[in-house]
Amino acid sequence: EDQVTQSPEALRLQEGESSSLNCSYTVSGLRGLFWYRQDPGKGPEFLFTLYSAGEEKEKERLKATLTKKESFLHITAPKPEDSATYLCAVQGIGANDYKLSFGAGTTVTVRA
Amino acid sequence: DGGITQSPKYLFRKEGQNVTLSCEQNLNHDAMYWYRQDPGQGLRLIYYSQIVNDFQKGDIAEGYSVSREKKESFPLTVTSAQKNPTAFYLCASSDTNTDTQYFGPGTRLTVL
Repeated sequence: EDQVTQSPEALRLQEGESSSLNCSYTVSGLRGLFWYRQDPGKGPEFLFTLYSAGEEKEKERLKATLTKKESFLHITAPKPEDSATYLCAVQGIGANDYKLSFGAGTTVTVRA
Repeated sequence: DGGITQSPKYLFRKEGQNVTLSCEQNLNHDAMYWYRQDPGQGLRLIYYSQIVNDFQKGDIAEGYSVSREKKESFPLTVTSAQKNPTAFYLCASSDTNTDTQYFGPGTRLTVL
């Protein structure tokens, strides 16, 4: 069974204080790793898909990287509007390759 | 604008009642999904449908039912058999070419 563990559970940052979120996963074969942003009371918003180790993707102050066992979401010089819960999900290869397995998320709070 | 709509945003139900949550998409996606989100837990898959008139159970299908009569619509019924239905329900859809799932805004169901 695919498993995803995100750490830390919560992260409090000062504006401009860069940091990283971790997503550790176990899957028999990786079809894709997905990052989403979720604001309170709203649906997740798609950020990135990573497919193979060594791949990196960037969007504004966010950069996602992937290894064979984990993914990092780096937040560079965060602003208060980056405050949200960040979700990681994996999709494995096989009979259940439609399915996303989600971590519990990391809640990021950025103070001005 | 293309997207996914869910209604209602908030729903209150008395114990013993069935309720139906609506999900509509105009993205022309073949696949649609229903997830449940509880505090401190990852999203859990209830049902999914990869094509009209076909759907499969996810990890937590007991107490729920769905239909897929049209490509655009995938309603979820929460039956009285669901023992702990209070949760945030999320609908998603995906293009089979990219596997990326896009989410609706969610419905918060509270059982009184």
